[in-house]
Amino acid sequence: GAVVSQHPSWVICKSGTSVKIECRSLDFQATTMFWYRQFPKQSLMLMATSNEGSKATYEQGVEKDKFLINHASLTLSTLTVTSAHPEDSSFYICSAKDRVTGANVLTFGAGSRLTVL
Amino acid sequence: ILNVEQSPQSLHVQEGDSTNFTCSFPSSNFYALHWYRWETAKSPEALFVMTLNGDEKKKGRISATLNTKEGYSYLYIKGSQPEDSATYLCASLSGSARQLTFGSGTQLTVLP
Repeated sequence: GAVVSQHPSWVICKSGTSVKIECRSLDFQATTMFWYRQFPKQSLMLMATSNEGSKATYEQGVEKDKFLINHASLTLSTLTVTSAHPEDSSFYICSAKDRVTGANVLTFGAGSRLTVL
Repeated sequence: ILNVEQSPQSLHVQEGDSTNFTCSFPSSNFYALHWYRWETAKSPEALFVMTLNGDEKKKGRISATLNTKEGYSYLYIKGSQPEDSATYLCASLSGSARQLTFGSGTQLTVLP
């Protein structure tokens, strides 16, 4: 079945540094990828929708200059948390839509836990 | 209902028991309801996508029903096994939204 590989699965960084998280669709082409953030005991909250070859669409309240999303190919999207601060510590997870089979089912990565010291 | 709500938040059952939990979602402009199963340290795995009122879907011992008029879906697990232990997420898609809105999940623990 469809697989999305996300890494790193966890990362610890110092305040002020930038962290890049990658999501790759391994056996399908993903025209659209979604990036979510989840704080403890809360729902997955959509941060942005990333379309291959175009700018990401950010949800209200998500700073596009802080959370840089790049979707340069049909199999790779990256999320860079720039100048990370402790309040950015969270669980980040991506999902992808298969270009061929289309809309209905999302394939998720396993998530990345970011801790900013 | 403006958000997607799941209950209970967590649940412990004995192996062999049957169980069910609820997902409530906005009924206006409903388009689809998704259920995912999320084991710790793994990716959420799609269980069902349901679109029609009265829909009932089944996958092995797991089944789900959908009531779009009143905005709820039930997930049932028959004869729970320890390997069913996971967080079960539901998410709704409305006609006006571009993306799924997730509930916070029901964390199921099946005790051997």
